[in-house]
Amino acid sequence: DTEVTQTPKHLVMGMTNKKSLKCEQHMGHRAMYWYKQKAKKPPELMFVYSYEKLSINESVPSRFSPECPNSSLLNLHLHALQPEDSALYLCASSLRDSGGINEQFFGPGTRLTVL
Amino acid sequence: GQNIDQPTEMTATEGAIVQINCTYQTSGFNGLFWYQQHAGEAPTFLSYNVLDGLEEKGRFSSFLSRSKGYSYLLLKELQMKDSASYLCAVRDDNKLIFGAGTRLAVHP
Repeated sequence: DTEVTQTPKHLVMGMTNKKSLKCEQHMGHRAMYWYKQKAKKPPELMFVYSYEKLSINESVPSRFSPECPNSSLLNLHLHALQPEDSALYLCASSLRDSGGINEQFFGPGTRLTVL
Repeated sequence: GQNIDQPTEMTATEGAIVQINCTYQTSGFNGLFWYQQHAGEAPTFLSYNVLDGLEEKGRFSSFLSRSKGYSYLLLKELQMKDSASYLCAVRDDNKLIFGAGTRLAVHP
């Protein structure tokens, strides 16, 4: 299994809703990442988990709450989002977060629309 | 600050060769990656350079000069399916910093 899966593929939510994005990989990778990508822009790093511990939070607003229940799963909990949070949310994983190539494998993303 | 520059758009003809340049100024450097991203899809890994020189992988080659803060991606024998965005990314410590990407359009 050499892929990263993400659910759902599309999500529409209101500003008062609570929803969660899910990401899963079974490649034995110990680093997992959340990125946000707006149209025609590059991915922007949000969070990095290394060995199930949060190692980087790129000053992301608290309405985004990451969680890493185990080494294969990564969640992003969403609450009280704003319309400007509408974007493609990409999950990625790599063998480790440093040393060697450690290329990141990206999931297909969740396209989020906040109304 | 962190700065990664790439041309915004390029066009090329099927069967030709195209070179996409990337210059960077980052506080740290642990390697440079090239990713391909088709519209609406996830980025896929193409190449990695950490030492100066050329890395070749089939129709794709990538070059790095650390002293100049410069890399390029060379695509040979272009095919229509190569129409995509190409993202240059520098790893600084354990973070990937992406350039804005170069949209390549391949014409018959």
